[in-house]
Amino acid sequence: SQKIEQNSEALNIQEGKTATLTCNYTNYSPAYLQWYRQDPGRGPVFLLLIRENEKEKRKERLKVTFDTTLKQSLFHITASQPADSATYLCALISSGSARQLTFGSGTQLTVLP
Amino acid sequence: EPEVTQTPSHQVTQMGQEVILRCVPISNHLYFYWYRQILGQKVEFLVSFYNNEISEKSEIFDDQFSVERPDGSNFTLKIRSTKLEDSAMYFCASSDGQLPGNQPQHFGDGTRLSIL
Repeated sequence: SQKIEQNSEALNIQEGKTATLTCNYTNYSPAYLQWYRQDPGRGPVFLLLIRENEKEKRKERLKVTFDTTLKQSLFHITASQPADSATYLCALISSGSARQLTFGSGTQLTVLP
Repeated sequence: EPEVTQTPSHQVTQMGQEVILRCVPISNHLYFYWYRQILGQKVEFLVSFYNNEISEKSEIFDDQFSVERPDGSNFTLKIRSTKLEDSAMYFCASSDGQLPGNQPQHFGDGTRLSIL
């Protein structure tokens, strides 16, 4: 069956360090992979999108990589700040379904001052 | 910045009653979605809607569920006869573009539905 796994449920890091979050998938052929941020009691907020034929995408302090051979995406936040504390969700869109996002369960990131 | 708005923020309903959740998507968007998130679980896709019809739906979206765009601005999710397991946060989202997978989806802050 299709599965999307995000590394640990919770990740604590020190302010200023780089946070690295992992998204692994099995039995899936995603055409796109998106990363979202979700704060408690709020809806997901889009951060970055990467296509299957792209290796890496950057936006300000954020970087995402996509390895379709390893079936893995890594999401990096450099120079992390306490305001980056949130749950980060990866979401896949398969080539056969261009509209529905299939979400992972998320990683709760806490950046300690 | 334009945003997706959802009302009410919290809805409490007796089991077996009908409930309508309302959403105002971003005005120039063409694709509309409903997702739900049961407490402590993943965000799950329910349905997508384009050009006044359902384009995709999940197994969760059974005959008890329906969606409608009654006018040019609102997008609604109706649950005909609510069950206890329908208790969840329901998110509306919208996106634009010819290739929706290539576009971000913009989410509202959800309606928390509590079934008693």
